[in-house]
This record gives sequence, C-alpha cells and structure tokens, in this order.
Amino acid sequence: AQSVSQHNHHVILSEAASLELGCNYSYGGTVNLFWYVQYPGQHLQLLLKYFSGDPLVKGIKGFEAEFIKSKFSFNLRKPSVQWSDTAEYFCAVTSFSGGYNKLIFGAGTRLAVHP
Amino acid sequence: EPEVTQTPSHQVTQMGQEVILRCVPISNHLYFYWYRQILGQKVEFLVSFYNNEISEKSEIFDDQFSVERPDGSNFTLKIRSTKLEDSAMYFCASSESQGALQETQYFGPGTRLLVL
Repeated sequence: AQSVSQHNHHVILSEAASLELGCNYSYGGTVNLFWYVQYPGQHLQLLLKYFSGDPLVKGIKGFEAEFIKSKFSFNLRKPSVQWSDTAEYFCAVTSFSGGYNKLIFGAGTRLAVHP
Repeated sequence: EPEVTQTPSHQVTQMGQEVILRCVPISNHLYFYWYRQILGQKVEFLVSFYNNEISEKSEIFDDQFSVERPDGSNFTLKIRSTKLEDSAMYFCASSESQGALQETQYFGPGTRLLVL
C-alpha cells in the first residue's frame, strides 16, 4: 500500500532562516505529489503540486519542492521563512486505481516561526 | 476565488446520536470527497463520490457512514450512531475532474466533531 512519511513533526525556526521539510513516499508507479498548508484556524490550502515535467516546482508564497524519483522524495523548501509561515504542512500523494483518485497524506509537520 | 465551505465548524454530540456534516463544493466540480483527521494522526481518506454514487470508500467508511448529494449544491456526510472514536476533524474536498492522473482536490475548512 502507498504511504507518505514526513520526517519532522515539529520544526521551530527564526525568521529569515531557510526551511526544508522532508517527504518520502512509497509507490513504484506514476505519482502526483502535493504539499498542502493549514494556517491556524484555516482550511487546507494547496501550496504546490507535481504532475510531470520539471521536477523543481514552484508554489505560492515563495515555496518550492523538488521531486527526486530515485529517492522517492518530494521535499519542500523556502529560502527565508517569515512569521506568517507558521502553519502545519502536509505532503500527499495521489493513489490512482480503477479510475479514481484519493490522496494519501503524511502525518504533517508543524512549523513555528519566531520573529 | 471559489472555495469549498463546510458547516458547522464545530459539532458536539452525545454518543449514539446521529450527525450530519454539510459541505458545499466548488460549483463546477463534479467529484467530492470526505477525509478525516483524528487529533494527532494523519488525514485519512473516507469516501469519494461522483454522479450520485460512491466511487470508492475506505475500510473506515462502514455502515454507520453515508453520503448524499441532496440537491445541486450540498454534499453531506451522515454518521448514524456516533462513537467516541468518531471524534475528529472532517474535511470535505472537491475536484473538477477525476479519472485522469492530473487532478487537484480543493479542501474545505473542516468540521471538528466531538463525541461525548
């Protein structure tokens, strides 16, 4: 069965620090990969996605992620975080079978950015 | 920008009671989903729905759960007889297309259900 692992459950950074959140998935076939963000009290928002093509994808708010097929990874990065990036970040992969999709989520990483 | 909406934002109920969680998907979307997140655990897929039918459901989605699209805008999740372990955040999602590999699901803000 497919699974998604996020290695860091809690990350604490100071503003302007660089961020990298790890995500690994287990699935040998074609995958779609996503990062969703949940700001305090708000809904899950799509940060970025990878379907095909350039493995380096850019999302909203200065985030990017790199798909490395050989490592089954899709790590999220941001060169300089801001206090407003405080949120929970979820990596997810689409499981596609029988013509239907469902998202398989990682456990989430809670990011706290201190001013 | 269109958004998925969910009501109520919070629901407290007694064990054994029925609850209905409501969702309004994005208007031109045809595929609908429910996920849930028990506190401290992963977001888990419950069910997907298209053309007034369940297209896939997880092992969590037992006979106590049902989904319905009662009209052209709402999508509901009903739990017939709630259990303590049903306490969770329930997320609704919708997408414009499915069946193709390249599909993006958009999520609502969630309903936090507490069963006492």
